[in-house]
Amino acid sequence: KQEVTQIPAALSVPEGENLVLNCSFTDSAIYNLQWFRQDPGKGLTSLLLIQSSQREQTSGRLNASLDKSSGRSTLYIAASQPGDSATYLCAVRRYYSGGGADGLTFGKGTHLIIQP
Amino acid sequence: GAVVSQHPSWVICKSGTSVKIECRSLDFQATTMFWYRQFPKQSLMLMATSNEGSKATYEQGVEKDKFLINHASLTLSTLTVTSAHPEDSSFYICSARERLAERDTQYFGPGTRLTVL
Repeated sequence: KQEVTQIPAALSVPEGENLVLNCSFTDSAIYNLQWFRQDPGKGLTSLLLIQSSQREQTSGRLNASLDKSSGRSTLYIAASQPGDSATYLCAVRRYYSGGGADGLTFGKGTHLIIQP
Repeated sequence: GAVVSQHPSWVICKSGTSVKIECRSLDFQATTMFWYRQFPKQSLMLMATSNEGSKATYEQGVEKDKFLINHASLTLSTLTVTSAHPEDSSFYICSARERLAERDTQYFGPGTRLTVL
């Protein structure tokens, strides 16, 4: 059974710092990996999606890397801002040979606070 | 971008009653929808996979007779929590997969907060 772990569980840093969030998964047979942002009491906002054949994806100040063989992904946030404060979730989709869609397995998230 | 809506956004009900939650894909057709549950300070857990026109596939440990899922059209899936109890209080989130999406991305709804008294 796939398990996704995120470290740290919580992080508080001053504005402007660069930071790294970590995600690890136990089964490397994944179809893709996705990073989400969740604001309190809200749904999910997709940030980056990395296909299993890719090594990284970038969007603005965000960069996500994937090392499938070691079961790890990192989300790098550059020049953090107070508006980045949220819970960041990592999720993997298992490989589905039948070609259909499959649900995601989520980590518990990293609760990030950026101090002004 | 693709938009998924959920209704209601929150609901409070008495123990023993049934509650229906709707998940709609507003601007695309979704052959597959997923239902997740999130308890406080926990991560999202997949409950079931819903395919249009067929029975839902439930994850291990999820009671199919308690959580009824209907995916009657390409834009609507419903989750009915039957005979709800306080332990069913949770945040329920659906997601939908676009039918012809090259990127094969799941789009998430805003969630429904259920409180059972």
